[in-house]
Amino acid sequence: QQPVQSPQAVILREGEDAVINCSSSKALYSVHWYRQKHGEAPVFLMILLKGGEQKGHDKISASFNEKKQQSSLYLTASQLSYSGTYFCGTASGAGSYQLTFGKGTKLSVIP
Amino acid sequence: DTGVSQDPRHKITKRGQNVTFRCDPISEHNRLYWYRQTLGQGPEFLTYFQNEAQLEKSRLLSDRFSAERPKGSFSTLEIQRTEQGDSAMYLCALWAQKETQYFGPGTRLLVL
Repeated sequence: QQPVQSPQAVILREGEDAVINCSSSKALYSVHWYRQKHGEAPVFLMILLKGGEQKGHDKISASFNEKKQQSSLYLTASQLSYSGTYFCGTASGAGSYQLTFGKGTKLSVIP
Repeated sequence: DTGVSQDPRHKITKRGQNVTFRCDPISEHNRLYWYRQTLGQGPEFLTYFQNEAQLEKSRLLSDRFSAERPKGSFSTLEIQRTEQGDSAMYLCALWAQKETQYFGPGTRLLVL
């Protein structure tokens, strides 16, 4: 089953914060976050493994609640370069043999 | 640079024609994946190779689709008798350390 992402779209002004959520009806082993700009391939941001860890790099961080089968991506002090569509991909077992992706959240950062 | 190239980057073909895409990892990677992405959707898993063995195929991969990885390095994805519904971006991905998958630049297919 495809994970559900929310919101579908969000518009931010530079410097504002955003949260993107990813929810699955299946037990998850890992959640993978990607950002895709128009006409390009998805770019890997981070992976969260079973264990409820939180990760971050620069001003983007994420959390994974394995009990609730949910992950959230946090973008703080957004920059114009953050614009794009964010996808979560989920895997139910170790090995990451295939990822099941949500429909994406379109993020637009305006000056 | 994700360490993988795809060729061609764009392909326009007429319905009923056959097309073949190639994925070339720059360095050795055991696991190679193919995904398809249509407009407004996330990538959808098609198939996966461990070295030269094709271990898993999605039901999306109809009989018209075939993938190979003959020497465990590059991979090809062929679509026979293309249909308009095959229009999509075809993405190759490599498995890296710690369970991550990195996508190549993709091949955008348009079937007229």
